[in-house]
Amino acid sequence: DSGVTQTPKHLITATGQRVTLRCSPRSGDLSVYWYQQSLDQGLQFLIQYYNGEERAKGNILERFSAQQFPDLHSELNLSSLELGDSALYFCASNDRGSTDTQYFGPGTRLTVL
Amino acid sequence: AQTVTQSQPEMSVQEAETVTLSCTYDTSESDYYLFWYKQPPSRQMILVIRQEAYKQQNATENRFSVNFQKAAKSFSLKISDSQLGDAAMYFCAYTLPGGGADGLTFGKGTHLIIQP
Repeated sequence: DSGVTQTPKHLITATGQRVTLRCSPRSGDLSVYWYQQSLDQGLQFLIQYYNGEERAKGNILERFSAQQFPDLHSELNLSSLELGDSALYFCASNDRGSTDTQYFGPGTRLTVL
Repeated sequence: AQTVTQSQPEMSVQEAETVTLSCTYDTSESDYYLFWYKQPPSRQMILVIRQEAYKQQNATENRFSVNFQKAAKSFSLKISDSQLGDAAMYFCAYTLPGGGADGLTFGKGTHLIIQP
């Protein structure tokens, strides 16, 4: 158990809908990263937050957005969902103060029908 | 942008044998971190081993060790005394200190099969 939690584990929804994925980092970690894992694109970095502020942006679509709250949990919002958004979404956290090692949550499996 | 290449889509090894998974990367930076993550069928991403680029000594974690060749930009993972529980996808990953602008950059993975 990495100490990073993600909810829900599975999500099934229809095209055009909007969903919210939630992540709680390890206790004390200030950074949260979001990744998408799909069969065709592999593991891709989406976005990083550090202590509530957006720090880095990767291959995140404009239909997707994220935020980190004062209690350091983070949410990834996916809107106008398309079939191609079906993927495993991971959250990871680290504290940057030590090793730059990212610890991953169990992921949320999103299926868009 | 940095790239990570894993040239072996699949590897197979007999239980108790040793196997080496290859990884090469491309970067113009001198300070960075390299990782191997394991993803078993449960899909959880599990850290296997970590290497800081400024350290010449190869990292070791129990049966797992790396061969880090900075000049060649090579970072291979050796698994000794392979066990059935080692069967998984293995991903090589790179990042700059602080996560950089790209978070972790992953290779496409190597599927490791353990033959009993």
